[in-house]
Amino acid sequence: GQQLNQSPQSMFIQEGEDVSMNCTSSSIFNTWLWYKQDPGEGPVLLIALYKAGELTSNGRLTAQFGITRKDSFLNISASIPSDVGIYFCAGPTSNFGNEKLTFGTGTRLTIIP
Amino acid sequence: DGGITQSPKYLFRKEGQNVTLSCEQNLNHDAMYWYRQDPGQGLRLIYYSQIVNDFQKGDIAEGYSVSREKKESFPLTVTSAQKNPTAFYLCASSIRGPQHFGDGTRLSIL
Repeated sequence: GQQLNQSPQSMFIQEGEDVSMNCTSSSIFNTWLWYKQDPGEGPVLLIALYKAGELTSNGRLTAQFGITRKDSFLNISASIPSDVGIYFCAGPTSNFGNEKLTFGTGTRLTIIP
Repeated sequence: DGGITQSPKYLFRKEGQNVTLSCEQNLNHDAMYWYRQDPGQGLRLIYYSQIVNDFQKGDIAEGYSVSREKKESFPLTVTSAQKNPTAFYLCASSIRGPQHFGDGTRLSIL
């Protein structure tokens, strides 16, 4: 089946630093989703991407839909303590409707005091 | 407020016991999903339902059962056949778009 590989698996940064993470797939996706999960809570949707090459921002977050449709990138600028958590990429296993999502393994972001 | 409500937040199961996790949504979403998350892991799909009175197995359905008698409700039963049920369980819903999640139920074995 489809697999999504996220890297890095974990990041340790200082407050104020910029963050970059990516997600790659062995097959083409028509939609890319980025979620953030805080400890003990459910994932929250950050950004949805629907077209190859698309670049979308949500505050300090920017995500890009790779031109090959096999990858996506998430950047966070000027990190703050509330950015701590696990970031997941996800994509639907077929044309985007009410279909199953494949999730990446996550990137855990920690901010060092 | 519209949203997805999972209950209880914490649940304990004795050996050989079935337990049921509740998931209710008032978003009028057609589709609902159940995921399992183990520590340090991603989300794995247990069951999903695209319409009332219909549901399909996900990647790890063994030892679990569901029902979808009402649009707003999708309860998950963890049966005694599930030998390693300790995990964080997440419910989600969607309507022709991204899935939105509840806050999860953490299940532990006594």
